[in-house]
Amino acid sequence: AQSVTQLGSHVSVSEGALVLLRCNYSSSVPPYLFWYVQYPNQGLQLLLKYTTGATLVKGINGFEAEFKKSETSFHLTKPSAHMSDAAEYFCAVSGGNAGNMLTFGGGTRLMVKP
Amino acid sequence: EAQVTQNPRYLITVTGKKLTVTCSQNMNHEYMSWYRQDPGLGLRQIYYSMNVEVTDKGDVPEGYKVSRKEKRNFPLILESPSPNQTSLYFCASSLGPKGSTDTQYFGPGTRLTVL
Repeated sequence: AQSVTQLGSHVSVSEGALVLLRCNYSSSVPPYLFWYVQYPNQGLQLLLKYTTGATLVKGINGFEAEFKKSETSFHLTKPSAHMSDAAEYFCAVSGGNAGNMLTFGGGTRLMVKP
Repeated sequence: EAQVTQNPRYLITVTGKKLTVTCSQNMNHEYMSWYRQDPGLGLRQIYYSMNVEVTDKGDVPEGYKVSRKEKRNFPLILESPSPNQTSLYFCASSLGPKGSTDTQYFGPGTRLTVL
């Protein structure tokens, strides 16, 4: 069985500050890892994903995430927060017998203060 | 424009009154699924379909039905809705049936309230 834990349901940063959203997973097989973003009243949009190869993955809007197998983590970062980054962020894992099924974390709401 | 559409976007209904939420994708994707989103729980998969006439249960299938008669459509049916099915529902699709790495594309969501 797979599971995803996102530490912190709410994270608040100042504009221009570093964004760090934490994600830890458990999986019995090599995982495929995803970060999705949900803007208010919208569906989910893929930010980035890790499948194989380079463990540092760059996504849209300046976000990146690093797959650390030893720590079973896939934390999302952005060097400088922008007001438009305010949204809810979901980490998800798929793979193995689960096939396409995505298992999501509980989500982290990012607030950006001016 | 490549997209997943859902209808209706908002629905208020009463306990026991059958309803259907439609989902359609125009990307010729084989894999489609339904999720519900509840605060603090993230998204949980209700049902998924690997291809036409192939459906299977996800994590929380109780009280729901689906069908996949055509590749592009994947309606979600609540035969007898109950208040605990009040939630935000998302349909998603991706290219291949076995593609764990495929990006899933999400619809805009349907907010359902069952009184």
